[in-house]
Amino acid sequence: EIVLTQSPGTLSLSPGERATLSCRASQSVSSSYLAWYQQKPGQAPRLLIYGASSRATGIPDRFSGSGSGTDFTLTISRLEPEDFAVYFCQYYSSSPFTFGPGTKVDIK
Amino acid sequence: QVQLVQSGAEVKKPGASVKVSCEASGYTFTKYHMHWVRQAPGQGPEWMGIINPSGGSTSYAQKFQGRVTMTRDTSTSTVYLELSSLRSEDTAVYYCARKRIAEPFDYWGQGTLVTVSS
Repeated sequence: EIVLTQSPGTLSLSPGERATLSCRASQSVSSSYLAWYQQKPGQAPRLLIYGASSRATGIPDRFSGSGSGTDFTLTISRLEPEDFAVYFCQYYSSSPFTFGPGTKVDIK
Repeated sequence: QVQLVQSGAEVKKPGASVKVSCEASGYTFTKYHMHWVRQAPGQGPEWMGIINPSGGSTSYAQKFQGRVTMTRDTSTSTVYLELSSLRSEDTAVYYCARKRIAEPFDYWGQGTLVTVSS
């Protein structure tokens, strides 16, 4: 079973700054099946990135994904007030469709 | 537009069962698998299992085998999650989410809070 770890646990930044979030897999995975989700309090996760680097419908281009093998990155180029949230990575190739523990991006 | 609408919050005693529903609309119900994912307070999401609305076949995460049942009603485009022998650790928000093979979870229900407390 693939285990995903995310770092840092919390990222404290100001609006307008760049955010770099990391997701590491316990073994090499296909980048075709790596996704990132955003979750705000009281809401369901929202798909941001799939296939490691493709933006989902309606996602602004300040969000970008990259990586391969065991190391993946979500970058938010300039944080907007609505971007302060928790971000999860997920490997969705086959069950058990593991999620990472999340990175919280909060306001500094 | 695609919508997944779940049933309301539940409070259950330890040992009881709970059944949560998820009604789909805005797409062809049988063309997407439906998954159930739960999220305990402050934790990452945890996958519970999948149901294929077309034939009703299911597959469950090993952790929940023997306690979980997923069913569907194609006449109402609704899927159901039933979890039995509830314990306090089952307190979580339960989500349905649709997915096709080799694609991510693209639409999620709003979530149903299940609280297990004596």
